[in-house]
Amino acid sequence: GAVVSQHPSRVICKSGTSVKIECRSLDFQATTMFWYRQFPKKSLMLMATSNEGSKATYEQGVEKDKFLINHASLTLSTLTVTSAHPEDSSFYICSVTGDPAQPQHFGDGTRLSIL
Amino acid sequence: KNEVEQSPQNLTAQEGEFITINCSYSVGISALHWLQQHPGGGIVSLFMLSSGKKKHGRLIATINIQEKHSSLHITASHPRDSAVYICAVKSSGDKLTFGTGTRLAVRP
Repeated sequence: GAVVSQHPSRVICKSGTSVKIECRSLDFQATTMFWYRQFPKKSLMLMATSNEGSKATYEQGVEKDKFLINHASLTLSTLTVTSAHPEDSSFYICSVTGDPAQPQHFGDGTRLSIL
Repeated sequence: KNEVEQSPQNLTAQEGEFITINCSYSVGISALHWLQQHPGGGIVSLFMLSSGKKKHGRLIATINIQEKHSSLHITASHPRDSAVYICAVKSSGDKLTFGTGTRLAVRP
């Protein structure tokens, strides 16, 4: 069964709207979750590392005020795209890791379309 | 130059063929992952390896640490194997660096 649950799977909304994406770890407590962005036919790009109980670590070039990450519990991290614009349209996917010796588990992703 | 390079970028095969996808990397790594991404976008981890060879069903992954190279093989390919295969390396902490993927289409 699924180890990671990501919702919603698809969002279509108007420019200026804020959109929240949830990533839940179902099978284990995840102290670390990762948020990625993927443009069509391109590689996954790490946006930020979400740490439970502390501030997220953002990659260079990712606006922390634009992409708000909250990791309030060991099983839930949220990514909020604030005041979304068409250029934010993309595929967003999370992954969780419990044991560093084990593979990361990925969510099914969220396809965000801003009109 | 990307830290992780995959080849080929696109691959079309006939059902039953033996398939090889290659991954080369330029940094020191603690582990290498092979991932499968289906058309809907979901990603499944196929292998995580740091040395030698692993096998799961019709899939085989090998890695040569000295040459900084890994291969993913699919034996007796099937149309349901059609997907994007992504190589990713873990070099520091838990962060992964991804290749651009190999788009595989297996025709019946």
